[in-house]
Amino acid sequence: GAGVSQSPRYKVAKRGQDVALRCDPISGHVSLFWYQQALGQGPEFLTYFQNEAQLDKSGLPSDRFFAERPEGSVSTLKIQRTQQEDSAVYLCASSSYRVENTIYFGEGSWLTVV
Amino acid sequence: DQQVKQNSPSLSVQEGRISILNCDYTNSMFDYFLWYKKYPAEGPTFLISISSIKDKNEDGRFTVFLNKSAKHLSLHIVPSQPGDSAVYFCAATFNFGNEKLTFGTGTRLTIIP
Repeated sequence: GAGVSQSPRYKVAKRGQDVALRCDPISGHVSLFWYQQALGQGPEFLTYFQNEAQLDKSGLPSDRFFAERPEGSVSTLKIQRTQQEDSAVYLCASSSYRVENTIYFGEGSWLTVV
Repeated sequence: DQQVKQNSPSLSVQEGRISILNCDYTNSMFDYFLWYKKYPAEGPTFLISISSIKDKNEDGRFTVFLNKSAKHLSLHIVPSQPGDSAVYFCAATFNFGNEKLTFGTGTRLTIIP
């Protein structure tokens, strides 16, 4: 597709429920990122993939968060046993290695845990 | 510890005038800086960037200035247009090729017609 596509756009989960968020990056983009944006804050880094390799997961807040990109394209961010503090917008971004070092973001998945 | 700071949560500017958005950083290892624009319910959109080897980069109505000694950068929009009303995020990264971004908290810019 032309841009980074994320689904679902909106998700309401009951506390304790597991959720899965999907990201379809721009075709051919090697790098893929997940960010978490809480209300009134800037996006915060969660994890980074280069092709199928997860090179950095230092931003994942707990072991309830898990991300994968098994074939080097589509990625899934999974949150187990959701808690209210997980409520946020989850942004996916992709990039290719170019001089201008630019990352393109999707529209985000809005998660509300009730 | 907030490594990238945008101290003005909001800014209002008359249409046609100059908008100046400011950003400060604390990590001297940052060597590449970006500005993103975000409309409600959309993802951030890349606007303009600057490498630490430069002190100015211009793209149309948008200019970014970098003062490394002060660890400060600013985004100038001239002339400001109603469509510029959005939240602007400053972001920084280091180790060229390592594209993990550290974002500020954003500044909401409102252009008054």
